[in-house]
Amino acid sequence: QSALIQPASVSGSPGQSITISCAGTSSDVGGYDYVSWYQQHPGEAPKLLIYDVSKWPSGVSTRFSGSRSGNTASLTISGLQAEDEADYYCSSYTRSATWVFGGGTKLTVL
Amino acid sequence: QVTLKESGPALVKPTQTLTLTCTFSGFSVGTRAMRVNWIRQPPGKALEWLARIDWDDDKFYSTSLKTRLTISTDTSKNQVVLTMTNMDPVDTATYYCVLVLGGGRYFDHWGQGILVTVSS
Repeated sequence: QSALIQPASVSGSPGQSITISCAGTSSDVGGYDYVSWYQQHPGEAPKLLIYDVSKWPSGVSTRFSGSRSGNTASLTISGLQAEDEADYYCSSYTRSATWVFGGGTKLTVL
Repeated sequence: QVTLKESGPALVKPTQTLTLTCTFSGFSVGTRAMRVNWIRQPPGKALEWLARIDWDDDKFYSTSLKTRLTISTDTSKNQVVLTMTNMDPVDTATYYCVLVLGGGRYFDHWGQGILVTVSS
């Protein structure tokens, strides 16, 4: 199972919006409504941000939103804040009943 | 409140077998719709899904690592155990135990992780 493709880095200024893409195939991202996104600060475990493509877990800010078009999912962060600076990972359930992650995207808030 | 804690050796030698244990509190292993996963992350690199065991003892493994992995539960100790054979320095990583409840296909309860270094 090949890793999902994410940009290595993105950046934005406070208050702006950014979007991180996550490219997969019809065997994962495009085939199931089971894309999730995670935020990871240095030295910490990942935190669930979005599940089932576009749903929010309890307690997660609605500044984070998820979507999908074909085999590519996207995470949009609006109203960028300094504390959003972190690594972001997408994940998808697959046809093999396993999971695959993206390579991760480092977000820098300028 | 559900908590998970990974335990095991911090250092293993190449070719040795790694055994990691995930101990749960606030939750009983074997609860219907429970899925327990192991996910690892080499230093500075991406997350990698390794294995999963379900409440009904169904087991799933990473295609690339399936010959080296075994996942099991010990309900008497409320634990899930992962073994990985033939360890190599490239297996150096933080290993996370991750619980999925209610049949979801996402990872919502993470352990703190345990760093395992493979070196002679």
